[in-house]
Amino acid sequence: QKEVEQDPGPLSVPEGAIVSLNCTYSNSAFQYFMWYRQYSRKGPELLMYTYSSGNKEDGRFTAQVDKSSKYISLFIRDSQPSDSATYLCAMTLVSGNTGKLIFGQGTTLQVKP
Amino acid sequence: DAGVIQSPRHEVTEMGQEVTLRCKPISGHNSLFWYRQTMMRGLELLIYFNNNVPIDDSGMPEDRFSAKMPNASFSTLKIQPSEPRDSAVYFCASSARGRIPDTQYFGPGTRLTVL
Repeated sequence: QKEVEQDPGPLSVPEGAIVSLNCTYSNSAFQYFMWYRQYSRKGPELLMYTYSSGNKEDGRFTAQVDKSSKYISLFIRDSQPSDSATYLCAMTLVSGNTGKLIFGQGTTLQVKP
Repeated sequence: DAGVIQSPRHEVTEMGQEVTLRCKPISGHNSLFWYRQTMMRGLELLIYFNNNVPIDDSGMPEDRFSAKMPNASFSTLKIQPSEPRDSAVYFCASSARGRIPDTQYFGPGTRLTVL
């Protein structure tokens, strides 16, 4: 079993839809949770991160962590065609320590105009 | 800043040949990571360095793979001999340790095809 599980999709939605992307993990020691966005033929780039449990909002994006369920989510409101990309969750034990991130496989999202 | 620079961007080689991938991290960053990405396995960490010292190479698939970081501004990943199953996109990433969180900045990747 992988430490981080993520449904690879693909996920196709119409423009304006609310998108929910999810990851589950097995190591309860993870503390920092991140979402990276990867456009086609590009490297991943950090979208947002949260520490421990709770929600964090940034514009149309909301990241949510439920440590009791070992489950994290990324919500995209009013999705746009420019949001079409692969979204990878990533997590780490303690930031500033080893620096090692554990990535999910990534979910490919397509937002149709 | 130019970001993380990788070369070459594309590499096509024949089985058995030596392949060398190159990476220049962001200036001032002291951690460097090499990843491999395939459709089947996703993004896998191969090896990472802190202050030019290899810390964890447990992800290196076998002895055919080797990585070096002779100084803070350059790293190489070498595959010798290459095999078709090594075909993948190889990413280099760098980060500045001590910042919260450890944001890794990725290069554009090298797309390797081994025939």
